[in-house]
Amino acid sequence: EAGVAQSPRYKIIEKRQSVAFWCNPISGHATLYWYQQILGQGPKLLIQFQNNGVVDDSQLPKDRFSAERLKGVDSTLKIQPAKLEDSAVYLCASSLDPSPNSPLHFGNGTRLTVT
Amino acid sequence: DAKTTQPPSMDCAEGRAANLPCNHSTISGNEYVYWYRQIHSQGPQYIIHGLKNNETNEMASLIITEDRKSSTLILPHATLRDTAVYYCIVREGIGGGTSYGKLTFGQGTILTVHP
Repeated sequence: EAGVAQSPRYKIIEKRQSVAFWCNPISGHATLYWYQQILGQGPKLLIQFQNNGVVDDSQLPKDRFSAERLKGVDSTLKIQPAKLEDSAVYLCASSLDPSPNSPLHFGNGTRLTVT
Repeated sequence: DAKTTQPPSMDCAEGRAANLPCNHSTISGNEYVYWYRQIHSQGPQYIIHGLKNNETNEMASLIITEDRKSSTLILPHATLRDTAVYYCIVREGIGGGTSYGKLTFGQGTILTVHP
């Protein structure tokens, strides 16, 4: 089966600009996650969707980050305006359902550099 | 916060078994033990997971102690391509309105396989 697809692979922007990342999960996966991974650290969950509804966004900096999954399939994550500390890899993952017995499968991420 | 403790680094000779330990003394009855690995510039790759019984798949074996307070990931015949950061994760259950099966990464173990 095809894996989780993410684009772009790399993005460089200046601070205060906006940026958007796109994710296409594995077909049939109802649960979608966005993670942020800062260099040298493990990934940190930003937001979790179940179909097109938000399940957990407690770690999402809502003053500048937003995410949507309008039709319950693809998702976009946006940052506006970007700060230097947003430089990181943004990973998308999906699972069949939110059950803890259902593994997450990750894409290869978008590496964002904010200058 | 991550609920696991792993050694920061380990070495293994190519062709030998790699045994990666993990402590999770505060694990709850409905929480699963997951293992992922991450090779540079790639997203985390799912390896294996279990609740209380030992598990084996084509990649690895997972041994969970009877009291579930620790586990070991075994790569039976390590190759150079197994060099990666290995994450042991206790995945939350679902329920109570605040638990959504979150996967929280810690720092992981850097496994280096040498010739």
